[in-house]
Amino acid sequence: GIQVEQSPPDLILQEGANSTLRCNFSDSVNNLQWFHQNPWGQLINLFYIPSGTKQNGRLSATTVATERYSLLYISSSQTTDSGVYFCAVSPPDRGSTLGRLYFGRGTQLTVWP
Amino acid sequence: AAGVIQSPRHLIKEKRETATLKCYPIPRHDTVYWYQQGPGQDPQFLISFYEKMQSDKGSIPDRFSAQQFSDYHSELNMSSLELGDSALYFCASSLGQGAGTEAFFGQGTRLTVV
Repeated sequence: GIQVEQSPPDLILQEGANSTLRCNFSDSVNNLQWFHQNPWGQLINLFYIPSGTKQNGRLSATTVATERYSLLYISSSQTTDSGVYFCAVSPPDRGSTLGRLYFGRGTQLTVWP
Repeated sequence: AAGVIQSPRHLIKEKRETATLKCYPIPRHDTVYWYQQGPGQDPQFLISFYEKMQSDKGSIPDRFSAQQFSDYHSELNMSSLELGDSALYFCASSLGQGAGTEAFFGQGTRLTVV
């Protein structure tokens, strides 16, 4: 299946700092989503972004599908931003893997006050 | 807005017992996915259903089975539970499959096998 690599694996920040998380994928994709998994385990949708750029408050994301990567930007980080950030992709429809999401291993973000 | 509802939130079972996890998708969503997330791991795809038919199958053990009912809710049945089945189980739903569909996840069921 498609390979998804996220970097960095761990990130420690002071409150107020900015950060960039990266997701590389090994094949073309139909779907790319960013999730935040909070300390209680809940997976929260951040962006659905198979291509282009989107912004939502302090978060923004860019996917360059032709170069097979996506970036998640977090500005003015807060302690509530702590948790694991996952990138997940779906390859093009090939009959047998419709809609299945392949996850990266995540970036563990810790924001200190 | 209504979200994906999973029940129960927490479940403790003994080895060799059975467990049933339930998932209620977002209203009008016709596709349900199940994922398993072990401790410190990323979620792994188990199985999916579209319009009540199995549409895709991942690394789901033979001891597990699932179905989607006429009201689109889904159940994951797990038998002969093993210690290694302890994990967070997510259900996700979407409207349609493939290109252009965004999956939304439930809060998960944390299964502990003792």
